[in-house]
Amino acid sequence: EAQVTQNPRYLITVTGKKLTVTCSQNMNHEYMSWYRQDPGLGLRQIYYSMNVEVTDKGDVPEGYKVSRKEKRNFPLILESPSPNQTSLYFCASSHGLAGYEQYFGPGTRLTVT
Amino acid sequence: GIQVEQSPPDLILQEGANSTLRCNFSDSVNNLQWFHQNPWGQLINLFYIPSGTKQNGRLSATTVATERYSLLYISSSQTTDSGVYFCAVAATFNAGGTSYGKLTFGQGTILTVHP
Repeated sequence: EAQVTQNPRYLITVTGKKLTVTCSQNMNHEYMSWYRQDPGLGLRQIYYSMNVEVTDKGDVPEGYKVSRKEKRNFPLILESPSPNQTSLYFCASSHGLAGYEQYFGPGTRLTVT
Repeated sequence: GIQVEQSPPDLILQEGANSTLRCNFSDSVNNLQWFHQNPWGQLINLFYIPSGTKQNGRLSATTVATERYSLLYISSSQTTDSGVYFCAVAATFNAGGTSYGKLTFGQGTILTVHP
């Protein structure tokens, strides 16, 4: 089944404790991205990747890192999480950069205390 | 960047009623998608529809790209249709450093269907 998977689905952590949210897709997609969703602010793009080893900042990249060492995986790294990073996170992928349907993962609900 | 406006912001229906949700956008797009966010927070792809008309069961969508709007029709609504409906677009042209592939989401329509 074609899908985007994220792990963990739920995470409660403390300020400053490094964490990684994994994202994997099995559709051989070139383009992958991360979004966060917050009440009143909607969904905003954090980082995106056009292919292996090619990444760039989205609208709200501060406090996040990403890497794209393999085509199928695009992990989101929070080196020192803070409470303002409490959010619902989505990974997405598509075949290309423009004009292609994007497929979203199930979401990761992160709480930083 | 591109602006996306959805209306109405809230919609309350009785089961069996029909509804139309609207999405207006401010610039040329190469991607338009409709999503349903369920109570568990998952974003469910409903339609990829940068232009034209599509139907899937009780749902259908139409995008008139030249007039910069899209409509989502829900017929014979069911309680399981409740949730938030989002329209999201990607601009055709890269303006002000915006990434080509970025989806800009509207604020959503909160649909509540009562039995």
